[in-house]
Amino acid sequence: AQRVTQPEKLLSVFKGAPVELKCNYSYSGSPELFWYVQYSRQRLQLLLRHISRESIKGFTADLNKGETSFHLKKPFAQEEDSAMYYCALSGRDTGTASKLTFGTGTRLQVTL
Amino acid sequence: DVKVTQSSRYLVKRTGEKVFLECVQDMDHENMFWYRQDPGLGLRLIYFSYDVKMKEKGDIPEGYSVSREKKERFSLILESASTNQTSMYLCASIGAGGPNEQFFGPGTRLTVL
Repeated sequence: AQRVTQPEKLLSVFKGAPVELKCNYSYSGSPELFWYVQYSRQRLQLLLRHISRESIKGFTADLNKGETSFHLKKPFAQEEDSAMYYCALSGRDTGTASKLTFGTGTRLQVTL
Repeated sequence: DVKVTQSSRYLVKRTGEKVFLECVQDMDHENMFWYRQDPGLGLRLIYFSYDVKMKEKGDIPEGYSVSREKKERFSLILESASTNQTSMYLCASIGAGGPNEQFFGPGTRLTVL
């Protein structure tokens, strides 16, 4: 079975402070990891995926297979980063590779 | 521009009513999904479909059914709505070929009284 854990329901930081949203996963095979974001009154959208190894809106995330983690980081938080963030996993070697398992989400609140 | 649309943004129904939630995508995607989103529980998969007339149960299928008669349309059915089905329902789609970006609809907030 695959599982995604986001231990923090709410993360509150000051503008300009570093951000780290934690994500740990459990999966026996080769996972694909994603971060999705939902801004207020907007639909859920992909922020980044580990295979792309890209930085989106200043956010990065590195897959650590040893620690089974995929933490989302940003060096300097901005007010517009305030949103709900979901970590998600896809089991690449299952028959339904497009199926995602989501974590419970972390609300990031950036204050002045 | 990719589009996933859902028939209603807000819906209020009474206990015992039959409820239809419709989702349409215009990207010719093979795979479609229905989730419910609840505070503290994240997104939980109800049902998904990887082809027309094909469906598979997700993690919480009880009390729900689905229909996919055409590739672009995926319907979620609550046969007899109950108050514990009050939630935000999200539809998503993705093309075939493995892990990739799921595109989400705007969501339907269903309230069952």
